[in-house]
Amino acid sequence: AQSVTQPDIHITVSEGASLELRCNYSYGATPYLFWYVQSPGQGLQLLLKYFSGDTLVQGIKGFEAEFKRSQSSFNLRKPSVHWSDAAEYFCAVVNFGNEKLTFGTGTRLTIIP
Amino acid sequence: NAGVTQTPKFRILKIGQSMTLQCTQDMNHNYMYWYRQDPGMGLKLIYYSVGAGITDKGEVPNGYNVSRSTTEDFPLRLELAAPSQTSVYFCASSYGSQNSNQPQHFGDGTRLSIL
Repeated sequence: AQSVTQPDIHITVSEGASLELRCNYSYGATPYLFWYVQSPGQGLQLLLKYFSGDTLVQGIKGFEAEFKRSQSSFNLRKPSVHWSDAAEYFCAVVNFGNEKLTFGTGTRLTIIP
Repeated sequence: NAGVTQTPKFRILKIGQSMTLQCTQDMNHNYMYWYRQDPGMGLKLIYYSVGAGITDKGEVPNGYNVSRSTTEDFPLRLELAAPSQTSVYFCASSYGSQNSNQPQHFGDGTRLSIL
């Protein structure tokens, strides 16, 4: 069965510093991968997705992620974080051919001045 | 354009009561989904629908029922509320399948407590 692991439950970063959130997946074939962001009291918003092609994908709000098949990873990065980036971030994978999106347990991002 | 609208935002139920969580979308999306989110966990799929009249089970369907009589509405029914169903419930919709490069649009959630 497919699974997603986000090893960091909580990360604290200074405003203006760079950010990398880790995501590892377990899936037999090439997965479809997503990063979502959830602000407090809100639903999830799609940041970016990888389906095929270029392994470095650009998303909204200045985020990017790189698909590395050899490491089964899809890490999210941002070169300089802003206080408004404080939120919960979820990595997710979907099976080709069905609608079942599997989410990781999330990483909570705190930004300090 | 309201997107995905969920009602109510909060609700407290007693064990054994029933209720319906409402979800409506105005984007003419074919696909709709119900998730639950427990503290410290990711979202788990309860039910989904690929179009009016068609529904299917997700990962955690027990204790819930859904219907999809129109494209816009996808209500989630709890028949006999149990403490284990205390959670935040999210409805989502998308124009196409997850495999067609279409993102899901989420509502703001319904926080449900069963006491």
